[in-house]
Amino acid sequence: DQQVKQNSPSLSVQEGRISILNCDYTNSMFDYFLWYKKYPAEGPTFLISISSIKDKNEDGRFTVFLNKSAKHLSLHIVPSQPGDSAVYFCAAIEWNTGNQFYFGTGTSLTVIP
Amino acid sequence: ETGVTQSPTHLIKTRGQQVTLRCSSQSGHNTVSWYQQALGQGPQFIFQYYREEENGRGNFPPRFSGLQFPNYSSELNVNALELDDSALYLCASSYSGGITDTQYFGPGTRLTVL
Repeated sequence: DQQVKQNSPSLSVQEGRISILNCDYTNSMFDYFLWYKKYPAEGPTFLISISSIKDKNEDGRFTVFLNKSAKHLSLHIVPSQPGDSAVYFCAAIEWNTGNQFYFGTGTSLTVIP
Repeated sequence: ETGVTQSPTHLIKTRGQQVTLRCSSQSGHNTVSWYQQALGQGPQFIFQYYREEENGRGNFPPRFSGLQFPNYSSELNVNALELDDSALYLCASSYSGGITDTQYFGPGTRLTVL
């Protein structure tokens, strides 16, 4: 049972525009969320996180928004750059369980120069 | 600071065989987690080790087992391989395994079971 879902397998965006990647989850007990970026032949690398007590977290060009009532989070990249082209995974965890992260299936972002 | 490395890069086995995958964590990282990523899926948590003890397990059968060594290396062993075990296997290390601890992933081992 997929508890974290990324319904868009791919997204193409022009360089300089905003990229919005979406993620939905079903488990209301999740209280910490992360985004990872993965280039081909490399492992995922941590990008940004958000705890359930916040609804927004910003780090440079990357902002994550959390809507707990909708069980939805999104990653905004502004402005998008060609080097952002990668697969993006969202992940979630329950604070109390401590170690089992649940990942979505990923969205492949292509930023067109 | 060295990154997380995994070996081998690729591996082909036949059904019923056993396989050992290896991971070298970043120095000082006491926690290693293993994930299975099937084609078109996200990584699925197999288990985590903290200071050489299993510290949590996902929904994987006992034929998936692991070891962690004091020198920051670890192993994932899979017995009685099945076709569905074909996947990319990722290890990730972190300092203490706390959920806000950044996990550093290796590049993975691609296992094909024929």
